Amino acid sequence: GQSLEQPSEVTAVEGAIVQINCTYQTSGFYGLSWYQQHDGGAPTFLSYNALDGLEETGRFSSFLSRSDSYGYLLLQELQMKDSASYFCAVISGYALNFGKGTSLLVTP
Amino acid sequence: ETGVTQSPTHLIKTRGQQVTLRCSSQSGHNTVSWYQQALGQGPQFIFQYYREEENGRGNFPPRFSGLQFPNYSSELNVNALELDDSALYLCASSLGVGQGRDTGELFFGEGSRLTVL
Repeated sequence: GQSLEQPSEVTAVEGAIVQINCTYQTSGFYGLSWYQQHDGGAPTFLSYNALDGLEETGRFSSFLSRSDSYGYLLLQELQMKDSASYFCAVISGYALNFGKGTSLLVTP
Repeated sequence: ETGVTQSPTHLIKTRGQQVTLRCSSQSGHNTVSWYQQALGQGPQFIFQYYREEENGRGNFPPRFSGLQFPNYSSELNVNALELDDSALYLCASSLGVGQGRDTGELFFGEGSRLTVL
């Protein structure tokens, strides 16, 4: 079966850095994706790691360790608009299998 | 470039009824996947359609069924609605069944919020 674990809630101050961790158990692993979803909105793609290491896209970075079945999303220079839910998702077969999500609250 | 569009945006049904949700994929995308997102949860994979055929299915009963049309648009049908079917139903499109594996990226619509009373 598939399982992904990520913290349910994280709070951080505007301008700070926050890391959201994700551990997974799966078969047929292709890669780990991260999505952002604002309340009532569509999930939007942030980043993808198929190989070990760090991927950087602007203020967002994502890391993967396949041997540890672990990844994280790093958000730098937090802005109020970053308050949203963040999901890690494992690519397995043809489907994205999502974690339950981390609700990030950015405070002034 | 037109994004993924879904209709209706909101609807209310009663137990036992049937519902049809519709999705138009992003321009040029030939693969459509459907997800169910309960409140406070992550999206759960229902099934994927490619070349008008079901290409993969998650852990959902047969009363969840779908169609894909030659223009790549898709429908999700749910029969014999139950209270637990209340959720946001998301459609995602991609170019080919392998795009998710290659890039990790699917393109989601804003969903249809179904309430079953």
